[in-house]
Order: sequence, then C-alpha cells, then structure tokens
Amino acid sequence: ETGVTQTPRHLVMGMTNKKSLKCEQHLGHNAMYWYKQSAKKPLELMFVYNFKEQTENNSVPSRFSPECPNSSHLFLHLHTLQPEDSALYLCASSLSGRASYEQYFGPGTRLTVT
Amino acid sequence: QKEVEQDPGPLSVPEGAIVSLNCTYSNSAFQYFMWYRQYSRKGPELLMYTYSSGNKEDGRFTAQVDKSSKYISLFIRDSQPSDSATYLCAMINSGNTPLVFGKGTRLSVIA
Repeated sequence: ETGVTQTPRHLVMGMTNKKSLKCEQHLGHNAMYWYKQSAKKPLELMFVYNFKEQTENNSVPSRFSPECPNSSHLFLHLHTLQPEDSALYLCASSLSGRASYEQYFGPGTRLTVT
Repeated sequence: QKEVEQDPGPLSVPEGAIVSLNCTYSNSAFQYFMWYRQYSRKGPELLMYTYSSGNKEDGRFTAQVDKSSKYISLFIRDSQPSDSATYLCAMINSGNTPLVFGKGTRLSVIA
C-alpha cells in the first residue's frame, strides 16, 4: 500500500450505531488530519494530530471522537450521529505541522447516516 | 465575509480551451497559496503552491497571486478531458496554521 489509505470507503449507519473510520499513511509523515467534505461547502478541518498529540479540535461535536495511536494510524470513532453528518470524511497527512500546506489526502469514506 | 470565496461552477469548456479558475480572500496574513485537484471518488491532491505574490508555471498550469487585490488564479492551457475535476484553492498564513479551503470549482473539459 502506498500513500494514504482509508477504510471503509462507504459506510451507512443508523443514528444509534457506533462505527469507526480508519486511516493509515505510508509516507513517514508526523501530522495527520480529519476533514469533512459536504456538498457546496469548503473542506472543514475537524482534528489535527502532530506527533500523536492532538493540536487542533475545530469545535467538533463530541459524537466524533478521534484517536491517534501512532504517527501512521488515525481513527475517527462515530456514535449517535445525525443525518446532517452525512458527508465525505477525508484523512490527510503531512510531514509535520510546519509543512501543512502540502497535505496528502486519502480517498475518503462516504458516510450516510439514516 | 467568508475567508475564501470560490465560484463552485460547474464550468464546462471545449478541449483545447484556456481555463481560468479564481479565488478571492479576506485575510491579508495569508502567505502560501495552493491549488488542489480532486477527481471524482478521490481525495484532493496538491497541484501547485505559491509563496507570496507572483506567478508560478508548471507545464500547462500557471498559478498567479495578487496579494494587493487578495486574488489568486489558476490557468490551464490547452485543456484536456483528463483535466476534468474539482479544483480547490487553499491558503495559510504560516506553516503552523490550518489550511483554509475554498468550496472548489467543478471543471468539465469536453472532447
């Protein structure tokens, strides 16, 4: 595997379910990000981890819970989501927070909340 | 006023046309200006970046930044059907701050 991978690619979940999104980067980077991409809206930064430490939480509701066990893996745990949370969730990585203009994105997880 | 404004399109052009994509911004502290390209069912990929004002050329692509007008552009010469994608502008004021993205412009190049 190369670059940034995300699983699953598609996820349909009910409002009472609990699920997790997984991201893995094979680039030797130290910073990882979660973004939300909704139709007709700019990419919204959700969380940033730099050297496994969370450095940014962009006022994200607590029903989204990130986890970064090491610099190569990033998870987004989901529970009691709302239909408006349906979107494309993108993971990205960069060499470090100091080179954040050059980010490498995964293909995303298309999430549908029913 | 939104920090970054970008017309979402869609923009449809014939093959071989010159394409002009633009963004305006309000934060005069932005220093790095990026263009990302996103194909359908893929994540964005960095196409070009420019530091401060000026032009940068890479093959058929030219990025321009006019900080006095708070306006950035991406030109695509001799556009190809393979250029059909969504183009997102992004900018930051230093290497330690989050990227701020535009909404993206969907481009279709018709053969």
